[in-house]
Amino acid sequence: KNEVEQSPQNLTAQEGEFITINCSYSVGISALHWLQQHPGGGIVSLFMLSSGKKKHGRLIATINIQEKHSSLHITASHPRDSAVYICAVRSNTGNQFYFGTGTSLTVIP
Amino acid sequence: SQTIHQWPATLVQPVGSPLSLECTVEGTSNPNLYWYRQAAGRGLQLLFYSVGIGQISSEVPQNLSASRPQDRQFILSSKKLLLSDSGFYLCACLRTRSGNTIYFGEGSWLTVV
Repeated sequence: KNEVEQSPQNLTAQEGEFITINCSYSVGISALHWLQQHPGGGIVSLFMLSSGKKKHGRLIATINIQEKHSSLHITASHPRDSAVYICAVRSNTGNQFYFGTGTSLTVIP
Repeated sequence: SQTIHQWPATLVQPVGSPLSLECTVEGTSNPNLYWYRQAAGRGLQLLFYSVGIGQISSEVPQNLSASRPQDRQFILSSKKLLLSDSGFYLCACLRTRSGNTIYFGEGSWLTVV
């Protein structure tokens, strides 16, 4: 069993739709990251969370520490949001990061 | 500002040849550095991490090795590549002074033929 589970694995949405990607983890963490990987492979960090909620533009990330669950929401989705979104957690017992396998999002115009 | 450079971006190597991927970091000191591999259709797999010069921890047994000769330099190597070494390799940096922000290099596509 993976330490980090993401759902769905693949997601296709119409432009303008509200999108939710979920992440559950089974280890103790010091922080959770949401990452975006573009088709060329490059990865950028979207959010780092240790509690509560963060918002950046049309992106919102939430985390529930008790339930070991996080969600990434995209409001008014756009084709340029098409990418792979990866949930990653940093273990609170060492320097390791654990990654989900990613959610491949395609937004259709 | 924090930047992380990784090269080469792509390479095609024959089986049995050596490998050297290099990663350098600017804008921070004493970062935690990581090497990950991403095989096609799979998540990121941690290969090595380093908390300081000369300090390397290996997560997965393999024919790869890593070295950290300088504070901001992290090198991934192999003496003899296998076909199964093909994949996308990412260097990452954890900057703890700014609240555990993680940065990734541009990535290196390795094809072993």
